[in-house]
Amino acid sequence: EAGVAQSPRYKIIEKRQSVAFWCNPISGHATLYWYQQILGQGPKLLIQFQNNGVVDDSQLPKDRFSAERLKGVDSTLKIQPAKLEDSAVYLCASSLERDGYNEQFFGPGTRLTVL
Amino acid sequence: SQKIEQNSEALNIQEGKTATLTCNYTNYSPAYLQWYRQDPGRGPVFLLLIRENEKEKRKERLKVTFDTTLKQSLFHITASQPADSATYLCALNAGNNRKLIWGLGTSLAVNP
Repeated sequence: EAGVAQSPRYKIIEKRQSVAFWCNPISGHATLYWYQQILGQGPKLLIQFQNNGVVDDSQLPKDRFSAERLKGVDSTLKIQPAKLEDSAVYLCASSLERDGYNEQFFGPGTRLTVL
Repeated sequence: SQKIEQNSEALNIQEGKTATLTCNYTNYSPAYLQWYRQDPGRGPVFLLLIRENEKEKRKERLKVTFDTTLKQSLFHITASQPADSATYLCALNAGNNRKLIWGLGTSLAVNP
């Protein structure tokens, strides 16, 4: 089966600019996650969708970050305006939640550099 | 406060030896714990899941233990190979929405 797709793979912007990332999860996976991973750290959950509804966005900096999952399939994550500390890899993952256990499948990530 | 800790130092071992990685947690009562592998420039890849009522789980050369009294999981790779070199992440579920909380990861280098 096809994996989780993300684009772009790399993005370089200047601070205060805007950027958007796209994710297409594995077909049939109801749950979609966006993570931020700073170098040397584990992934930090930004937002979790169940179909097209938000389950958890407690760690999403809502003053600058937004995400949507229209039609419960693909999703976009936006940062506006970007700050230097947003430099990180943004990972998208999806899960089927078989028997309530959410083994997560990750995309390759988007490496964002904010100058 | 709630915390997950993995071996902070990188682990270097000789090919053929057993690698043992540690994941300790405090102030959580997870129903399960997962281990992932992450290679540079790639997203994490799921390896094993162990439930709270399971003491041990095996998959090929991998073995995971889960001690809910000690609040610790150990991840073993037997007969290690240079191809096993990667960062290994543990993650446990927290809350009713099955949100995963992640450790920082342990870097493993297997030397030929």
